[in-house]
Amino acid sequence: DGGITQSPKYLFRKEGQNVTLSCEQNLNHDAMYWYRQDPGQGLRLIYYSQIVNDFQKGDIAEGYSVSREKKESFPLTVTSAQKNPTAFYLCASSIDIGPHYGYTFGSGTRLTVV
Amino acid sequence: AQSVSQHNHHVILSEAASLELGCNYSYGGTVNLFWYVQYPGQHLQLLLKYFSGDPLVKGIKGFEAEFIKSKFSFNLRKPSVQWSDTAEYFCAVLGGYNKLIFGAGTRLAVHP
Repeated sequence: DGGITQSPKYLFRKEGQNVTLSCEQNLNHDAMYWYRQDPGQGLRLIYYSQIVNDFQKGDIAEGYSVSREKKESFPLTVTSAQKNPTAFYLCASSIDIGPHYGYTFGSGTRLTVV
Repeated sequence: AQSVSQHNHHVILSEAASLELGCNYSYGGTVNLFWYVQYPGQHLQLLLKYFSGDPLVKGIKGFEAEFIKSKFSFNLRKPSVQWSDTAEYFCAVLGGYNKLIFGAGTRLAVHP
């Protein structure tokens, strides 16, 4: 079945460490997105990529970095510069041209800083 | 600025009650609107979407939404909720560069 796979499901990080969250899709979608979900704040866009080797900052990119070396993969690194990294992180993908049918979401990674 | 506002953060209903969740958007371009649902422990799933045409849109599981351009609204409705509708509901508008802009979400709890 086509879909988006995020791993790991749960991740614990010590303060001062960088961690990388994985996102892989086999939907042949051009565009991929990272959102952060916090209670009462909905989903906020961190980074997005419309094509391989290109990505753009979203609304809350500070303290995060991404890469898009392959169409299928869009990993997110949460760096030590992110002041409040504990959150639920969602990856999504979509077609980028033509009628837009909304995003397909992964099942998320819950990151906790200990 | 592009934004989505959901009026109720928490809604509690009994089974068989009618549901209406408010959503207002602010966006100057062509409007594409969505409602997503997140059941406990599950992915975000698309409930319904509006691109053009009939402003009353029907989605999965008996949900519908009405696009009222003059009110910048896209409220979600269901005539009779079930316990299984307990979830968090997100309204979203498609902004520039095909970015989805989400509201803060509404948590719905349905009691048997």
